Amino acid sequence: QQQVKQSPQSLIVQKGGISIINCAYENTAFDYFPWYQQFPGKGPALLIAIRPDVSEKKEGRFTISFNKSAKQFSLHIMDSQPGDSATYFCAATLGGGGNKLTFGTGTQLKVEL
Amino acid sequence: EPEVTQTPSHQVTQMGQEVILRCVPISNHLYFYWYRQILGQKVEFLVSFYNNEISEKSEIFDDQFSVERPDGSNFTLKIRSTKLEDSAMYFCAIPTGAGTQYFGPGTRLTVL
Repeated sequence: QQQVKQSPQSLIVQKGGISIINCAYENTAFDYFPWYQQFPGKGPALLIAIRPDVSEKKEGRFTISFNKSAKQFSLHIMDSQPGDSATYFCAATLGGGGNKLTFGTGTQLKVEL
Repeated sequence: EPEVTQTPSHQVTQMGQEVILRCVPISNHLYFYWYRQILGQKVEFLVSFYNNEISEKSEIFDDQFSVERPDGSNFTLKIRSTKLEDSAMYFCAIPTGAGTQYFGPGTRLTVL
């Protein structure tokens, strides 16, 4: 019940296109859903995050869509750029702070020219 | 943005040897986390440490692992007798508020 499922495992998008990564969770106690971006040899870096009381959050080219009833959330990267090529992890955590992050399996994104 | 440094950046050890991985946050934090990432796989929670005590640990964090805050500033993860399957990136993380965590650059552990 603690799992977070993520798809696709890998994704190739043309420059300027939209990248979409999907995640699903089972534990309804999860209260915070961040997305992390990881470049090779680096630690995960927070990209954007959302709480379940909103259906969408946008920051620049990055948007999270959240469907609480379906227990699903997704990351949309608009106008994808080669510099966006990285591994993206969705995550979930329980409310209240101080709780561990449960990560999805990751999506390796490649943006081609 | 909070900063965390980790040392060493790369540790190579023989199977059965003990290793100590270190993490130093720039500012004082009561909460602290260790995660592991086997090459090409997801980031997995190992242990959380609050106010000098373990607050939660995963099934990965068995008796071979221990965490300490030896001098009030840095945090250590010790693996007593390393196994081949301990080869991974190890990340420390600190909370940044609202449920998010800031990850250090990681230590790559290679067990031969």
